Amino acid sequence: EAGVAQSPRYKIIEKRQSVAFWCNPISGHATLYWYQQILGQGPKLLIQFQNNGVVDDSQLPKDRFSAERLKGVDSTLKIQPAKLEDSAVYLCASSLAWAVEAFFGQGTRLTVV
Amino acid sequence: GESVGLHLPTLSVQEGDNSIINCAYSNSASDYFIWYKQESGKGPQFIIDIRSNMDKRQGQRVTVLLNKTVKHLSLQIAATQPGDSAVYFCAETGSSNTGKLIFGQGTTLQVKP
Repeated sequence: EAGVAQSPRYKIIEKRQSVAFWCNPISGHATLYWYQQILGQGPKLLIQFQNNGVVDDSQLPKDRFSAERLKGVDSTLKIQPAKLEDSAVYLCASSLAWAVEAFFGQGTRLTVV
Repeated sequence: GESVGLHLPTLSVQEGDNSIINCAYSNSASDYFIWYKQESGKGPQFIIDIRSNMDKRQGQRVTVLLNKTVKHLSLQIAATQPGDSAVYFCAETGSSNTGKLIFGQGTTLQVKP
């Protein structure tokens, strides 16, 4: 079974630039999550989708971050404009609907300079 | 085996010994508690979970103990192997029960040959 796919693996941008990350969840998984993991910390949920609807985006900085999952499968997370403190690993995860066990991708390491 | 007090960032154990990693959680309403393993450059990997109505659950070489009185969770790894070297995170579902995970601070397990 293929796992959660994310791209790119690494991205370096200058502050105030924009960036987008892509995620393809495990086939059949209705729930998709984007987490932000700052170096040395545990992942923090940014947004959770159930199919193509948003379940929780309470910790998403909506002035600069946006995410979509238009057809209920792939998802993109965008940051515009980026700040230095956005440097982190962005992890996508998926699970069966409302299931506890989430499967994570390898993440995208973003460096903002 | 060695045990760690309530969240030490690093635990070093000898290969073959037992390891105990501890975690304090915050929300008494959490229904599930989960342990994840994260190797360098990879996303978190599910190890084992336990529901709030249980005190103990065993898997292959791993045991999770839940003490709701003091809101404490522990992960025991039997006969620790070099491949167990990683950062271990505990996570809780919080009061939402949507599958959203709230991660604690990680503990780095170093296995000495």
